[in-house]
Amino acid sequence: NAGVTQTPKFRILKIGQSMTLQCTQDMNHNYMYWYRQDPGMGLKLIYYSVGAGITDKGEVPNGYNVSRSTTEDFPLRLELAAPSQTSVYFCASSYAGNPGETQYFGPGTRLLVL
Amino acid sequence: AQKVTQAQTEISVVEKEDVTLDCVYETRDTTYYLFWYKQPPSGELVFLIRRNSFDEQNEISGRYSWNFQKSTSSFNFTITASQVVDSAVYFCALSEVTGGTSYGKLTFGQGTILTVHP
Repeated sequence: NAGVTQTPKFRILKIGQSMTLQCTQDMNHNYMYWYRQDPGMGLKLIYYSVGAGITDKGEVPNGYNVSRSTTEDFPLRLELAAPSQTSVYFCASSYAGNPGETQYFGPGTRLLVL
Repeated sequence: AQKVTQAQTEISVVEKEDVTLDCVYETRDTTYYLFWYKQPPSGELVFLIRRNSFDEQNEISGRYSWNFQKSTSSFNFTITASQVVDSAVYFCALSEVTGGTSYGKLTFGQGTILTVHP
């Protein structure tokens, strides 16, 4: 049981390039989330999904896209990378999305846009 | 809108000192949950504790204790006899039920960097 896995661990992008951050969970969780953590700041929600085929915006969705074709995977797409997207990205999951439910976080992807 | 404030940006203590991390939250809902997460230097997020808005009973777990006070909208975290391994960033987070629904979305505070010196 690997929990929540993310790839890559670290990536450098040039301005305007695109990339997909991968997130996979093997806990059969219905809810999945993408957060970003800027230096010295707390995490902010980018997008979330309540199940396969259903996604919705969080607090800071601009510049990102997501899809959820399977229960296990929740990739985050950056179409035109900008320096403001330099951050650490965390994927998380929970079974039922209840407010008191523990979210399990992946190890994070560190992204640097130059 | 909900908000979580951790006014202490950085705290530095010497090993064996007690340290309290402050967390103040804002929410309009009567039903909500508060969390503490730890982020060690390795970067992962580790769940520490959860408390719901109806349970103001304080909790002690080993060297950790939590003080939840609805009257002051605070959920403070105390480490007793701190150790070097406690050095990390600590985040307070809030999950609320809005309009009868919740998707488990978390609102995080800015985090407090705790450094414990030997």
